[in-house]
This record gives sequence, structure tokens and C-alpha cells, in this order.
Amino acid sequence: DARVTQTPRHKVTEMGQEVTMRCQPILGHNTVFWYRQTMMQGLELLAYFRNRAPLDDSGMPKDRFSAEMPDATLATLKIQPSEPRDSAVYFCASGLRPSGRGETQYFGPGTRLLVL
Amino acid sequence: GESVGLHLPTLSVQEGDNSIINCAYSNSASDYFIWYKQESGKGPQFIIDIRSNMDKRQGQRVTVLLNKTVKHLSLQIAATQPGDSAVYFCAERGETSGSRLTFGEGTQLTVNP
Repeated sequence: DARVTQTPRHKVTEMGQEVTMRCQPILGHNTVFWYRQTMMQGLELLAYFRNRAPLDDSGMPKDRFSAEMPDATLATLKIQPSEPRDSAVYFCASGLRPSGRGETQYFGPGTRLLVL
Repeated sequence: GESVGLHLPTLSVQEGDNSIINCAYSNSASDYFIWYKQESGKGPQFIIDIRSNMDKRQGQRVTVLLNKTVKHLSLQIAATQPGDSAVYFCAERGETSGSRLTFGEGTQLTVNP
């Protein structure tokens, strides 16, 4: 049963520390998305990649957030330095986009981040 | 306007009843719509999708209806079960927005046994 995996599932850290979240997309999927979910803002797209290249990171605070895909099986989202307002659930999703059509996004279980 | 916190619409139904969850969207250029279900502590789970060239699509116990004239989307769940209790999100994608989905605020469905 193919699924998106995320690690860690929970993270508690102190303000100013670096946080790295990892995602393994479904094998064969060529598009990877990072979302943040909070009670205040709901589900927001931070960035997404296709074939490992960043296509849209307009939703991501550039000064402290960075997203990369070192290879096709790993996506990372880093926050440095972390702040209490970054506390949220971070979801990774993946999809397969054939040319000319949109893809269905399949979500991972999320990383619950608490910054003290 | 600025949100002061999301107040989820709620829907409470009895087990076995049919449920209808509604969603209004604003982008008349949206060409693809999806419904997701999110249970507590889990990620959103794909339920069903529909493209703008259709007005109805059926799945297992679920039906999505699209009314482009009034920019309205609905999800119908037949014979609702306690396991259907969750937050349901609609999402839309515009023709020119690439793969970017815009999610609605969600509706909390509670199924009473």
C-alpha cells in the first residue's frame, strides 16, 4: 500500500533551533508539495517541486525556511532559526502529473512541530 | 479580510442518514476540484475529484456535484457511518495556477450512532 511517509511525526524544540522535516514521496510520483496547517490559517501551500525542481515557493517565508529535494525519494523542509509562530502541522504530499493534466495529491501523516 | 481564527462549520447527522457538505469557491477559472477527508491527527485523505467539464461524479457512497454557474461544490455521503466523522475540505485549482490547490476552511462532520 503506497503512501507518503514523514519524519519526525512530532518535534518539540526551542526558539532559535534548526528544524529539519523529511518526506518520502510515493515511489514514481514526480511532484512533491509542502503544506502547513494551523487553526488560524488552515491549510497553506508552502512550496512544491516537480522532477526535483522547485516550481513555486511563494508561500514560504524565504528568510528562515528552505525546501530541497536531494533525490527523487527525499524532500526536506528546514526552518532556521525556528520561532514560536512556526508551530503547526507540516504536511508533505506527492502526486504524479502527466503532461497537460493535473495530479491528485496524496498526503503524508504530517509532522507536528511545537516551538517553545 | 484578516482571519481571527477559523470557526469550522459543523454538520451533525445520525448514522445511516445521508450527509451533504457544501463548498463555495470564488475562482471562475478553476478547472479541477477535490474533496479531502481529514481525521483527527491524520493527513488529508483524497475522497473524490471532478473536472470542470462535468457536473456530477460518483464514487463508493460519495457523490460530488459541481454547479459552475453559482460556483458551488457539494459532497454527498450516502448512509453515513461513524467512521465518516472527520473534517472535510474542498480544494480547487485554477487553469493557470499550475499544481497549486486552494483549500476551503473545512466542515466538521459528526456522525451520531
